[in-house]
Amino acid sequence: QVQLQQWGAGLLKPSETLSLSCAVYGGSFSGYYWSWIRQPPGRGLEWIGEINHRGSTNYNPSRKSRVSISVDMSKNQFSLKLSSVTAADTAVYYCARVNSGSDLWQGSYYYMDVWGKGTTVTVSS
Amino acid sequence: SSEVTQDRAVSVALGQTVRITCQGDSLRSYYASWYQQKPGQAPVLVIYGKGNRPSGIPDRFSGSSSGNTASLTITGAQAEDEADYYCNTRGTSGNQLVFGGGTKLTVL
Repeated sequence: QVQLQQWGAGLLKPSETLSLSCAVYGGSFSGYYWSWIRQPPGRGLEWIGEINHRGSTNYNPSRKSRVSISVDMSKNQFSLKLSSVTAADTAVYYCARVNSGSDLWQGSYYYMDVWGKGTTVTVSS
Repeated sequence: SSEVTQDRAVSVALGQTVRITCQGDSLRSYYASWYQQKPGQAPVLVIYGKGNRPSGIPDRFSGSSSGNTASLTITGAQAEDEADYYCNTRGTSGNQLVFGGGTKLTVL
Protein backbone atom coordinates (compact mmCIF):
# COMPACT_ATOMS: atom_id res chain seq x y z
CA GLN A 1 0.00 0.00 0.00
CA VAL A 2 1.67 3.16 -1.21
CA GLN A 3 1.64 6.04 1.24
CA LEU A 4 2.77 9.64 0.89
CA GLN A 5 4.11 11.51 3.89
CA GLN A 6 4.51 15.24 3.47
CA TRP A 7 6.04 17.93 5.62
CA GLY A 8 7.28 21.50 5.60
CA ALA A 9 7.01 24.91 7.22
CA GLY A 10 3.43 25.92 7.96
CA LEU A 11 3.87 29.65 8.61
CA LEU A 12 5.67 32.00 6.29
CA LYS A 13 6.10 35.74 5.93
CA PRO A 14 5.45 37.52 2.63
CA SER A 15 8.37 37.27 0.18
CA GLU A 16 9.73 34.09 1.78
CA THR A 17 10.07 30.78 -0.05
CA LEU A 18 7.64 27.96 0.63
CA SER A 19 9.37 24.60 0.88
CA LEU A 20 7.53 21.27 1.17
CA SER A 21 8.65 17.68 0.73
CA CYS A 22 6.80 14.42 0.13
CA ALA A 23 8.20 10.94 0.74
CA VAL A 24 6.90 7.83 -0.99
CA TYR A 25 6.61 4.65 1.07
CA GLY A 26 5.57 1.15 0.12
CA GLY A 27 5.80 1.32 -3.63
CA SER A 28 7.81 2.13 -6.69
CA PHE A 29 8.95 5.69 -7.25
CA SER A 30 9.82 5.26 -10.90
CA GLY A 31 7.20 4.90 -13.60
CA TYR A 32 4.96 7.66 -12.28
CA TYR A 33 4.66 11.39 -12.21
CA TRP A 34 4.38 12.99 -8.76
CA SER A 35 2.29 16.10 -8.34
CA TRP A 36 1.69 19.03 -6.03
CA ILE A 37 -1.83 20.43 -5.68
CA ARG A 38 -3.08 23.21 -3.45
CA GLN A 39 -6.44 24.39 -2.13
CA PRO A 40 -6.91 27.93 -0.78
CA PRO A 41 -9.40 28.24 2.09
CA GLY A 42 -12.95 27.73 0.84
CA ARG A 43 -11.87 27.28 -2.74
CA GLY A 44 -11.20 24.53 -5.26
CA LEU A 45 -8.20 22.40 -6.12
CA GLU A 46 -5.37 23.88 -8.15
CA TRP A 47 -2.72 21.76 -9.84
CA ILE A 48 0.75 23.24 -9.31
CA GLY A 49 3.06 20.88 -11.17
CA GLU A 50 4.56 17.43 -11.43
CA ILE A 51 7.85 15.59 -11.75
CA ASN A 52 8.93 12.06 -12.66
CA HIS A 53 11.83 10.01 -11.34
CA ARG A 54 14.09 11.32 -14.10
CA GLY A 55 13.43 14.90 -13.05
CA SER A 56 11.24 15.80 -16.00
CA THR A 57 8.78 18.47 -14.90
CA ASN A 58 5.53 20.08 -15.99
CA TYR A 59 4.18 23.20 -14.33
CA ASN A 60 0.96 25.14 -14.22
CA PRO A 61 1.73 28.03 -16.59
CA SER A 62 0.16 30.53 -14.19
CA ARG A 63 2.65 29.59 -11.44
CA LYS A 64 5.66 28.54 -13.47
CA SER A 65 7.77 31.63 -12.78
CA ARG A 66 7.78 30.99 -9.00
CA VAL A 67 7.62 27.20 -8.80
CA SER A 68 10.34 24.60 -8.72
CA ILE A 69 9.76 20.89 -8.19
CA SER A 70 12.70 18.57 -7.63
CA VAL A 71 13.25 14.89 -6.92
CA ASP A 72 15.62 12.89 -4.76
CA MET A 73 15.56 9.34 -6.06
CA SER A 74 17.89 8.11 -3.32
CA LYS A 75 15.24 8.95 -0.73
CA ASN A 76 12.10 8.40 -2.82
CA GLN A 77 11.18 12.01 -2.19
CA PHE A 78 10.08 14.99 -4.21
CA SER A 79 9.90 18.60 -3.15
CA LEU A 80 8.14 21.86 -3.94
CA LYS A 81 9.56 25.36 -3.71
CA LEU A 82 7.40 28.40 -4.28
CA SER A 83 9.23 31.71 -4.13
CA SER A 84 8.10 35.20 -3.15
CA VAL A 85 4.96 34.02 -1.40
CA THR A 86 2.05 36.33 -0.62
CA ALA A 87 -1.17 35.90 1.33
CA ALA A 88 -2.71 34.50 -1.86
CA ASP A 89 -0.47 31.44 -1.48
CA THR A 90 -2.16 30.53 1.80
CA ALA A 91 -3.61 27.08 1.18
CA VAL A 92 -3.55 23.42 2.03
CA TYR A 93 -0.87 21.82 -0.12
CA TYR A 94 -1.17 18.17 -1.17
CA CYS A 95 1.25 15.81 -2.84
CA ALA A 96 -0.14 13.02 -5.00
CA ARG A 97 0.89 10.18 -7.29
CA VAL A 98 -0.13 10.55 -10.93
CA ASN A 99 -1.00 7.19 -12.42
CA SER A 100 -1.81 6.65 -16.06
CA GLY A 101 -3.33 4.23 -18.52
CA SER A 102 -4.63 4.01 -22.03
CA ASP A 103 -7.35 2.37 -24.04
CA LEU A 104 -8.35 1.96 -27.65
CA TRP A 105 -11.11 4.57 -27.59
CA GLN A 106 -9.55 7.71 -26.24
CA GLY A 107 -5.87 7.01 -25.78
CA SER A 108 -4.18 8.05 -22.57
CA TYR A 109 -5.72 8.96 -19.25
CA TYR A 110 -4.25 10.24 -16.01
CA TYR A 111 -5.43 10.10 -12.43
CA MET A 112 -4.15 10.86 -8.94
CA ASP A 113 -4.70 7.69 -6.98
CA VAL A 114 -2.61 8.28 -3.86
CA TRP A 115 -2.67 11.51 -1.88
CA GLY A 116 -0.80 12.89 1.07
CA LYS A 117 -2.78 14.20 4.05
CA GLY A 118 -2.07 17.81 3.19
CA THR A 119 0.00 20.55 4.80
CA THR A 120 -1.58 23.85 5.80
CA VAL A 121 0.60 26.79 4.79
CA THR A 122 -0.27 30.25 6.02
CA VAL A 123 1.43 33.39 4.72
CA SER A 124 1.10 36.28 7.12
CA SER A 125 3.22 39.19 8.25
CA SER B 1 -10.77 30.79 -16.69
CA SER B 2 -10.48 27.04 -16.16
CA GLU B 3 -9.98 24.71 -19.12
CA VAL B 4 -12.71 22.48 -17.70
CA THR B 5 -15.90 23.73 -16.10
CA GLN B 6 -18.36 22.25 -13.63
CA ASP B 7 -21.67 23.36 -12.17
CA ARG B 8 -21.02 24.92 -8.78
CA ALA B 9 -23.76 23.10 -6.92
CA VAL B 10 -26.14 20.20 -7.44
CA SER B 11 -28.70 18.64 -5.13
CA VAL B 12 -30.33 15.22 -5.09
CA ALA B 13 -32.97 13.55 -2.98
CA LEU B 14 -31.82 10.62 -0.89
CA GLY B 15 -31.87 7.45 -2.97
CA GLN B 16 -32.24 9.23 -6.28
CA THR B 17 -29.78 9.51 -9.17
CA VAL B 18 -27.63 12.53 -9.83
CA ARG B 19 -25.25 13.41 -12.65
CA ILE B 20 -22.35 15.81 -12.22
CA THR B 21 -20.78 17.07 -15.42
CA CYS B 22 -17.46 18.48 -16.52
CA GLN B 23 -16.99 20.25 -19.85
CA GLY B 24 -13.90 21.22 -21.81
CA ASP B 25 -12.18 20.73 -25.14
CA SER B 26 -9.42 18.59 -23.62
CA LEU B 27 -12.07 16.00 -22.72
CA ARG B 28 -12.27 15.16 -26.41
CA SER B 29 -8.71 13.82 -26.09
CA TYR B 30 -8.43 12.61 -22.50
CA TYR B 31 -10.72 10.92 -20.00
CA ALA B 32 -11.55 12.78 -16.83
CA SER B 33 -10.84 11.48 -13.38
CA TRP B 34 -13.19 12.33 -10.53
CA TYR B 35 -12.45 13.07 -6.87
CA GLN B 36 -14.67 13.26 -3.82
CA GLN B 37 -13.62 15.64 -1.06
CA LYS B 38 -15.30 15.94 2.30
CA PRO B 39 -14.59 18.88 4.66
CA GLY B 40 -11.16 18.76 6.21
CA GLN B 41 -10.08 15.72 4.22
CA ALA B 42 -7.84 15.04 1.25
CA PRO B 43 -9.55 14.26 -2.05
CA VAL B 44 -10.33 10.64 -2.84
CA LEU B 45 -10.29 9.20 -6.36
CA VAL B 46 -13.70 7.74 -7.28
CA ILE B 47 -13.58 7.32 -11.07
CA TYR B 48 -10.77 7.17 -13.64
CA GLY B 49 -10.33 6.24 -17.27
CA LYS B 50 -13.35 4.78 -19.01
CA GLY B 51 -15.52 4.56 -15.91
CA ASN B 52 -13.09 2.60 -13.72
CA ARG B 53 -13.64 2.55 -9.97
CA PRO B 54 -10.75 2.12 -7.50
CA SER B 55 -11.05 -0.63 -4.96
CA GLY B 56 -13.41 0.33 -2.16
CA ILE B 57 -15.52 2.78 -4.15
CA PRO B 58 -19.18 1.72 -4.19
CA ASP B 59 -20.63 0.66 -7.52
CA ARG B 60 -23.28 3.37 -7.30
CA PHE B 61 -20.53 5.65 -8.66
CA SER B 62 -20.07 5.49 -12.43
CA GLY B 63 -18.43 7.58 -15.10
CA SER B 64 -19.01 8.28 -18.76
CA SER B 65 -17.79 10.57 -21.49
CA SER B 66 -19.23 12.00 -24.70
CA GLY B 67 -17.61 14.64 -26.86
CA ASN B 68 -16.37 17.46 -24.67
CA THR B 69 -18.34 16.35 -21.60
CA ALA B 70 -17.47 13.91 -18.85
CA SER B 71 -20.07 12.81 -16.33
CA LEU B 72 -20.03 11.32 -12.87
CA THR B 73 -23.27 9.58 -11.98
CA ILE B 74 -24.33 8.48 -8.52
CA THR B 75 -27.20 6.00 -8.69
CA GLY B 76 -29.07 5.86 -5.41
CA ALA B 77 -27.32 8.73 -3.64
CA GLN B 78 -26.59 8.22 0.05
CA ALA B 79 -26.20 10.79 2.79
CA GLU B 80 -22.48 10.04 2.95
CA ASP B 81 -22.11 11.07 -0.70
CA GLU B 82 -22.64 14.71 0.26
CA ALA B 83 -19.29 16.27 -0.65
CA ASP B 84 -17.43 18.37 -3.19
CA TYR B 85 -16.63 16.62 -6.46
CA TYR B 86 -13.81 17.63 -8.78
CA CYS B 87 -13.00 16.52 -12.28
CA ASN B 88 -9.42 16.47 -13.53
CA THR B 89 -7.83 15.83 -16.90
CA ARG B 90 -4.86 16.73 -19.06
CA GLY B 91 -5.07 20.20 -20.52
CA THR B 92 -5.26 20.81 -24.25
CA SER B 93 -1.50 21.33 -24.39
CA GLY B 94 -1.00 17.84 -22.97
CA ASN B 95 1.69 18.90 -20.51
CA GLN B 96 -0.41 20.06 -17.61
CA LEU B 97 -3.22 18.74 -15.47
CA VAL B 98 -6.31 20.85 -14.88
CA PHE B 99 -9.09 20.67 -12.30
CA GLY B 100 -12.63 21.78 -12.72
CA GLY B 101 -13.88 24.31 -10.21
CA GLY B 102 -15.71 21.65 -8.22
CA THR B 103 -19.37 20.79 -7.66
CA LYS B 104 -20.92 20.85 -4.21
CA LEU B 105 -23.35 17.95 -3.93
CA THR B 106 -26.14 18.23 -1.39
CA VAL B 107 -28.17 15.13 -0.53
CA LEU B 108 -31.64 16.17 0.61
